[in-house]
Amino acid sequence: SQELEQSPQSLIVQEGKNLTINCTSSKTLYGLYWYKQKYGEGLIFLMMLQKGGEEKSHEKITAKLDEKKQQSSLHITASQPSHAGIYLCGAASTGNQFYFGTGTSLTVIP
Amino acid sequence: KAGVTQTPRYLIKTRGQQVTLSCSPISGHRSVSWYQQTPGQGLQFLFEYFSETQRNKGNFPGRFSGRQFSNSRSEMNVSTLELGDSALYLCASSFTGGETEAFFGQGTRLTVV
Repeated sequence: SQELEQSPQSLIVQEGKNLTINCTSSKTLYGLYWYKQKYGEGLIFLMMLQKGGEEKSHEKITAKLDEKKQQSSLHITASQPSHAGIYLCGAASTGNQFYFGTGTSLTVIP
Repeated sequence: KAGVTQTPRYLIKTRGQQVTLSCSPISGHRSVSWYQQTPGQGLQFLFEYFSETQRNKGNFPGRFSGRQFSNSRSEMNVSTLELGDSALYLCASSFTGGETEAFFGQGTRLTVV
């Protein structure tokens, strides 16, 4: 089965600071998804990466998939309290299963 | 378009009871997947349905079952509830499942007492 390890497990940053969350896969990634979750709620799709070296941005969030397609990073520039939540990476595997990373809890202090 | 709708949002049950959760996918989506989220185990895949057929199943006991109707709506049933079944249950819908983008519902928070 595919395993997705995220680091760090939790992050507390001051508003305005930049931060990076990493997602490392035990297998080659053929599609890597980033989601954000507010506590106790559903997941909000952020972006999907498919090609090695691909980079996508949405507002102040940028995600990259490395060339070897086994690691992805999510970078937030000038963090705001609205960025707080749990960030999850996810990947589909054969057999139509979808695996999630261990999650990173982000707190932004105003 | 309307998003994925899960009902009920909150549920409290006692041990030994059974529970049925409902998920209405986005119109046109034929794949519905169910996940259990707990603080200790994170998000874990339960099963996926496509066109009324279960295509894949995660590592959960047989007490966890599901079904999908012809309109793609799906239900998940848990029988003989245990305290450890307390969790947030999320469903996700997509066009075909697998690598296509999945949209998640708000979840059903189940508490077993």
